Amino acid sequence: GDSVTQMEGPVTLSEEAFLTINCTYTATGYPSLFWYVQYPGEGLQLLLKATKADDKGSNKGFEATYRKETTSFHLEKGSVQVSDSAVYFCALTAPNTGNQFYFGTGTSLTVIP
Amino acid sequence: DAGVIQSPRHEVTEMGQEVTLRCKPISGHNSLFWYRQTMMRGLELLIYFNNNVPIDDSGMPEDRFSAKMPNASFSTLKIQPSEPRDSAVYFCASLRGDRGRRTEAYTFGSGTRLTVV
Repeated sequence: GDSVTQMEGPVTLSEEAFLTINCTYTATGYPSLFWYVQYPGEGLQLLLKATKADDKGSNKGFEATYRKETTSFHLEKGSVQVSDSAVYFCALTAPNTGNQFYFGTGTSLTVIP
Repeated sequence: DAGVIQSPRHEVTEMGQEVTLRCKPISGHNSLFWYRQTMMRGLELLIYFNNNVPIDDSGMPEDRFSAKMPNASFSTLKIQPSEPRDSAVYFCASLRGDRGRRTEAYTFGSGTRLTVV
């Protein structure tokens, strides 16, 4: 079935470090891919998305490229800030899934000054 | 747009009591999802509705849990009787579904933090 696998955390980085959070997927058909962010005490918020192969989603300095050949959608940011400390979820939805999204287990990121 | 609205934000109840969580989806969204989040299990899908009809409730833990969507602008998740292991954050999300390729994203509410003592 459709699923998402993301790297386990927690991840701890110093401010201004480079961030990569890996995400790979399994899906029938052509899924749309998403990254959500959850700040402490809040709900999940959409961070970025890509709906077809080779699309690059970007927002707030974060980027992810939909790679069909490697079935991946890795999240990257060139220089993290303390305010980026949160839990990041990779997700997909595919045609004929009845509008259902499949989420990864989440990766906790802590950025230290 | 006010977003997905959940109430209450926090609920503390005694074991055995009935608990009702409420959700108002974004106007025009035709799919609604209930999730539960705990440290141990992460984010779990409990049930979802398309056009007010329950589509998949296989994630509902047991018969103590029930969910309804009487109209397009309101849904409830009820736990009766509640138990301490039900303590979690419960999220509601809505989506404007479309046929074929999915381009729209879920919008989540802020969640209800339930504590059963």
